[in-house]
Amino acid sequence: DTGVSQNPRHKITKRGQNVTFRCDPISEHNRLYWYRQTLGQGPEFLTYFQNEAQLEKSRLLSDRFSAERPKGSFSTLEIQRTEQGDSAMYLCASSSGLGYAAPLHFGNGTRLTVT
Amino acid sequence: KNEVEQSPQNLTAQEGEFITINCSYSVGISALHWLQQHPGGGIVSLFMLSSGKKKHGRLIATINIQEKHSSLHITASHPRDSAVYICAVRSGNQFYFGTGTSLTVIP
Repeated sequence: DTGVSQNPRHKITKRGQNVTFRCDPISEHNRLYWYRQTLGQGPEFLTYFQNEAQLEKSRLLSDRFSAERPKGSFSTLEIQRTEQGDSAMYLCASSSGLGYAAPLHFGNGTRLTVT
Repeated sequence: KNEVEQSPQNLTAQEGEFITINCSYSVGISALHWLQQHPGGGIVSLFMLSSGKKKHGRLIATINIQEKHSSLHITASHPRDSAVYICAVRSGNQFYFGTGTSLTVIP
């Protein structure tokens, strides 16, 4: 068990470019969450997968954002036509399906800076 | 209004002091998590609880389901406890997070 892994750790991009982040959850975890965190704030929910199915999507997630988990293992989060307001830490977390009280495990995040 | 409210937002303590961080929530929950985030670092889960009290070393977490309130206590605080402490609640398939309490423990 190597924990939740996110890549890259840092991404600097120019406004208007597309970026893609990857999350590898703990291998036996079927639930995967994406969050966004800005300075001084707690994480904000973006979207949630159970296996390969995207079950919930926050209204914060504009149509420039898309997430996939094609085989129910790793997930990608893509932001198209990035804006400066997209600059934030993007966090991935996973948990097992053993009831609603399963612990949540976080990755170290991908810090996005849009210039 | 946020689903999860934490207080205080910032806390400075002298080494050795007893510290309490509070969390109130407004949604029905199946579990409450206390998380720790160091500057530039990832988030680590400290406790997950749905009733009563849990203790791990110098950390104690309590929850009162009827009052929708939880507290995180740190006994004999140490500078290495300096971090942001975040309360998160699980409601259905979603997690709601507080904005965090930034703790600084001065030697």
